Amino acid sequence: EVVLTQSPATLSLSPGNGATLSCRASQSVSSYLAWYQQKPGQAPRLLIYDASIRAAGVPARFTGSGSGTDFTLTISSLEPEDFAIYYCQQRSHWPPEDTFGQGTTLEIK
Amino acid sequence: QVQLQESGPGLVKPSGTLSLTCAVSGGSIASSKWWSWVRQPPGKGLEWIGEINHSGSTSYSPSLQSRVTISVDKSKNQFSLNLSSVTAADTAVYFCARADWSGYDSWGQGTLVTVSS
Repeated sequence: EVVLTQSPATLSLSPGNGATLSCRASQSVSSYLAWYQQKPGQAPRLLIYDASIRAAGVPARFTGSGSGTDFTLTISSLEPEDFAIYYCQQRSHWPPEDTFGQGTTLEIK
Repeated sequence: QVQLQESGPGLVKPSGTLSLTCAVSGGSIASSKWWSWVRQPPGKGLEWIGEINHSGSTSYSPSLQSRVTISVDKSKNQFSLNLSSVTAADTAVYFCARADWSGYDSWGQGTLVTVSS
């Protein structure tokens, strides 16, 4: 089973700041890594897939990078609507199994 | 744009069976996607429960495998979750979602299921 570890658990920043969120896998997941944003009372929203491809409608300030075991989600200049919880997720080939990281809370400082 | 909508009882008794259905609209459940269930206990993170694909093949979380069944009804364009022998630890918001190798691109709004007597 692949374990995804996100850091930090909480990130306190101000609008306009840049943010860097990390996701580390216990073993290589190639580039099959996705990032989601979740706001209170809502379903998660796909932001990034295949480690670095922005999903439809996702602003350019969101950038995903990495491969193998180390991945990063960067938000270049935080907007008020970006303060939320972010999860990474990967899928194993065999046996087919999905794993989510424990999440990073991005909060307003 | 595919849309998913969960339905089912919001309250289940301990030792009972949790049953939820996800209705899919705007797309066919027979497409080459995986149809999944993900849950989120109050105040906690996301947990993958399992999935079914267009051919009816299923995969389940190892931690839940002995209690989970996911099935599909192509005639109604919906899929279902059964989770047996529930306890308070199964209290969560349950999401249905559509997935492929690029991740989960469509989600239901989620439904809270509470396990309590």
